[in-house]
Amino acid sequence: EVQLVQSGAEVKKPGESLRISCKVSGYRFTHYWIGWVRQMPGKGLEWMGIIYPDDSDTKYRPSFQGQVSISVDKSISTAYLQWSSLKASDSATYYCARHILDYPPHIDSWGQGTLVTVSS
Amino acid sequence: EIVLTQSPGTLSLSPGERATLSCRASQRISSGYLAWYQQKSGQAPRVLIYGASSRATGIPDRFSGSGSGTDFTLTISRLEPEDFAVYYCQQYGSLPYTFGQGTKLEIK
Repeated sequence: EVQLVQSGAEVKKPGESLRISCKVSGYRFTHYWIGWVRQMPGKGLEWMGIIYPDDSDTKYRPSFQGQVSISVDKSISTAYLQWSSLKASDSATYYCARHILDYPPHIDSWGQGTLVTVSS
Repeated sequence: EIVLTQSPGTLSLSPGERATLSCRASQRISSGYLAWYQQKSGQAPRVLIYGASSRATGIPDRFSGSGSGTDFTLTISRLEPEDFAVYYCQQYGSLPYTFGQGTKLEIK
């Protein structure tokens, strides 16, 4: 069974750094793109970017480029989303998601979400 | 980037009725590069339809997808109580793989 298990909720102050994680199981981690989706409180889904774990090829949505960093650790089948300096506007739930990019492309598995709260 | 506009924003219907949700793209999307997701309150989304018209595993046949080019439709033939949720379309025609803003399907 494919599973994506995300790290727990975080409460941070503006300017702090943060890394959240997504540990996968049930499939070969290096063979599927994995990405991150933001959902701000009461709002819709925003696609942030994806990474191919085998070679760390990464594609960001332009509005998130330079604001976050997506990475992986192949040895522990885990993907990460990282901020170097959080802003209050980063408060949201973040989902990791396994992307199928072979035709027909879609997201077939999701993590449970990580709630990030940034407040002074 | 391709902008997906979903309509209506909110759809109020009763169980047993038919629901028709629209997703319009700002640019033509290659055939089959559109998916639909359902999200219930407090839960992660789940895929319903991919390739514009293929149902994902375990999705009841009351859900169907259609469309091509810039206009796509999700139809729920006969609403069940568990279908009231928010629905999103997503395109894979070009990066970034954007979502529509969602349609909330609520009980009338």
